[in-house]
Amino acid sequence: SQQGEEDPQALSIQEGENATMNCSYKTSINNLQWYRQNSGRGLVHLILIRSNEREKHSGRLRVTLDTSKKSSSLLITASRAADTASYFCATDAEQAGTALIFGKGTTLSVSS
Amino acid sequence: NAGVTQTPKFQVLKTGQSMTLQCAQDMNHEYMSWYRQDPGMGLRLIHYSVGAGITDQGEVPNGYNVSRSTTEDFPLRLLSAAPSQTSVYFCASRERATYNEQFFGPGTRLTVL
Repeated sequence: SQQGEEDPQALSIQEGENATMNCSYKTSINNLQWYRQNSGRGLVHLILIRSNEREKHSGRLRVTLDTSKKSSSLLITASRAADTASYFCATDAEQAGTALIFGKGTTLSVSS
Repeated sequence: NAGVTQTPKFQVLKTGQSMTLQCAQDMNHEYMSWYRQDPGMGLRLIHYSVGAGITDQGEVPNGYNVSRSTTEDFPLRLLSAAPSQTSVYFCASRERATYNEQFFGPGTRLTVL
């Protein structure tokens, strides 16, 4: 089964509002990554947070990681219509020589 | 750099046909992976490789074969296509080191009739 599960599955907001997506995972990890996918395109890396980090920022993105709860959140501040996309978390297991495992994603719609 | 390239972009097969989805990367990445994406299912790992000559199964390997004879190429073979294999297939690569992002190809949209 998939390692990560995002919540909510879909999110609709107005431009200027903040969007928060959550990810839960099952096993110990080295790092957790968030990716974005525009409709019909491949995934693009947004941000990586290591297992010993609790919070990380990149522009309008803020990611938190709680390894005790095996969960992460992605906050997009001051959303724009261009942020409309699907967002996926991906976990890199502690065990070496494994592949990234993705969740089912959150579909974000930002209306102007 | 071209990054990760996939061919073809679109393919229609009949049930029982075989074909190979091509994937190549020019970044000298050791790790390569194949995923399939279906509506509401996110990305599911089919097979992956941590270097030339080394492959392993992911979550949904049945009906697919892979090989990794070179660092650059990681083809995915459908042995006998079934309608359940209708999906969008993504190839991805990344460096061996732990804290590295993964790069994705543009995807192959496959329909099996």
